[in-house]
Amino acid sequence: GEEVAQTPKHLVRGEGQKAKLYCAPIKGHSYVFWYQQVLKNEFKFLISFQNENVFDETGMPKERFSAKCLPNSPCSLEIQATKLEDSAVYFCASIRDRVDQPQHFGDGTRLSIL
Amino acid sequence: AQKVTQAQTEISVVEKEDVTLDCVYETRDTTYYLFWYKQPPSGELVFLIRRNSFDEQNEISGRYSWNFQKSTSSFNFTITASQVVDSAVYFCALSSVQGAQKLVFGQGTRLTINP
Repeated sequence: GEEVAQTPKHLVRGEGQKAKLYCAPIKGHSYVFWYQQVLKNEFKFLISFQNENVFDETGMPKERFSAKCLPNSPCSLEIQATKLEDSAVYFCASIRDRVDQPQHFGDGTRLSIL
Repeated sequence: AQKVTQAQTEISVVEKEDVTLDCVYETRDTTYYLFWYKQPPSGELVFLIRRNSFDEQNEISGRYSWNFQKSTSSFNFTITASQVVDSAVYFCALSSVQGAQKLVFGQGTRLTINP
């Protein structure tokens, strides 16, 4: 498609439950990035993929967070044993192939942990 | 490490006033890219502009203009004759190949345009 599609728009989970978020990048885009936005301002980079391969995972909390980008499937970000502090908006972005290209963002998934 | 600082947390002006949003960055990379994004109340991120480190020409797009100065590591954004629809949070961001292409965002500036 011509837009980055993120699902669901909103996700509510009880503390300790699992949460799984999905992202379909723009068709033909090779890179996918995940960001976490807390309290409507600060963005934190989580992980990026080049096609199916992890490109940079320096921002990823290793213990409970995992992510995948498999062929012919939306990319996913999974949080095990969620905590209150995981409440945030998670944005996915994609670029075609070069760092100077602007990242195209999805509308985000708002994750609320109760 | 790369860093982007937007010192202005909130700005409030009356419609039709000009307003400048400041952005200062830090990087050791010689080739890098600077971006501005707009986040309206609806929450999506809207791309506004991209600048590479070798192009210090200022840019104007309608009521928007950008001033890039490598000497002061700044990439400021000016809105002329502001309108209520300009109300949003504006983010400045930086990326580079050495930084694995991820965007490093500033803290954002919440701009409110009052009628």
